[in-house]
Amino acid sequence: DAGVIQSPRHEVTEMGQEVTLRCKPISGHDYLFWYRQTMMRGLELLIYFNNNVPIDDSGMPEDRFSAKMPNASFSTLKIQPSEPRDSAVYFCASSFGRAGANVLTFGAGSRLTVL
Amino acid sequence: AQKVTQAQTEISVVEKEDVTLDCVYETRDTTYYLFWYKQPPSGELVFLIRRNSFDEQNEISGRYSWNFQKSTSSFNFTITASQVVDSAVYFCALSDRTGANNLFFGTGTRLTVIP
Repeated sequence: DAGVIQSPRHEVTEMGQEVTLRCKPISGHDYLFWYRQTMMRGLELLIYFNNNVPIDDSGMPEDRFSAKMPNASFSTLKIQPSEPRDSAVYFCASSFGRAGANVLTFGAGSRLTVL
Repeated sequence: AQKVTQAQTEISVVEKEDVTLDCVYETRDTTYYLFWYKQPPSGELVFLIRRNSFDEQNEISGRYSWNFQKSTSSFNFTITASQVVDSAVYFCALSDRTGANNLFFGTGTRLTVIP
């Protein structure tokens, strides 16, 4: 298996632009997670899905952030409009079964820079 | 609420030295899981180990060993005979029912192994 695949790996954009990050989880995994990593706040859970349904989005910082999972093999995290404080590395992870008893496998991350 | 403390922000050792990374956790649950992840300079998050709260046996995997002590709420990670390739940021994480079984990460310890 190719693991969790994220794209783009790097994105540089200007403030106000829309950003879309993409994730392909491991085939057969039924949980998908979006995390954000910053120097100030470390690794934070933004949202997670179970069987394509959003379960908890309490970590999503603002209405400018939205995430979707239209099918079992694809998820997007969208920021509109983007702001410099959104600059971070965004990780997607998936697992078979909920976290804790099951191990999350992370993607390589998408490094976002908003100028 | 759950909490993971990695008091060591940065550690530097000379190659072949042993090094221990500390992790102290807080949880009100009796059932929980503890994890260590490695983040090398390339940026991805690599799973190292998972322990559940009912298994206090220490574990050894090659040069890596983990010491889980419920009495002190600690889950420390030791690298024996460190190598340059061990240079990375290491994260301890906790998953418990109170946190909906999601992973809650510590702030990480940056390990630099000097050749």
